[in-house]
Amino acid sequence: QVTLRESGPALVKPTQTLTLTCTFSGFSLSTSGMCVSWIRQPPGKALEWLALIDWDDDKYYSTSLKTRLTISKDTSKNQVVLTMTNMDPVDTATYYCARIYRGDSSGYSWFDPWGQGTLVTVSS
Amino acid sequence: DIQMTQSPSSLSASVGDRVTITCRASQSISSYLNWYQQKPGKAPKLLIYAASSLQSGVPSRFSGSGSGTDFTLTISSLQPEDFATYYCQQSYSTLSAFGPGTKVDIK
Repeated sequence: QVTLRESGPALVKPTQTLTLTCTFSGFSLSTSGMCVSWIRQPPGKALEWLALIDWDDDKYYSTSLKTRLTISKDTSKNQVVLTMTNMDPVDTATYYCARIYRGDSSGYSWFDPWGQGTLVTVSS
Repeated sequence: DIQMTQSPSSLSASVGDRVTITCRASQSISSYLNWYQQKPGKAPKLLIYAASSLQSGVPSRFSGSGSGTDFTLTISSLQPEDFATYYCQQSYSTLSAFGPGTKVDIK
């Protein structure tokens, strides 16, 4: 059974750096094709894709946020970490991590499963 | 970057109704399109992948179609548990993107 769980601070101050951890089980990020992504959702708003890290340690970032984001993995701990610098109240959102498998010969991939999400509020 | 749009943004329907939601990509994405259902306070759940493949465990009243830039999610007979928000997502590019969502509520 594949599970993911997000953890991190519930409250950060403006200008601070946010660090979130995704701890997963049921798969290994050293397996070819395996990836983990971060997605966020401001209250009452749509989903926004943020970043992806793959089994080969290749990293991809949202064009609009790439200067503020860093994604990394610790394969031995089954964890993926996302940092976001210079936090602002507009970054208040529920942050999700999700598994994505990109090793299928068809080339198709999708986010499944997702973690339960963690709400981060940015306020002074 | 590939942009995704959805229509309508919301709709009201009754149990038993046939519901159709449309998703459009800003460029051709072949069949690299997924659909998710999200209920309040919950994480999104995968319904359809590769435009028309039903995820295991998802009721057969859900179906997807389309390719290129235009896609459709259809619920053949709306059930009480289907009232939720639906999102499309393109997986053509590694830099993924979601549509703005379609909220389905009770008429």
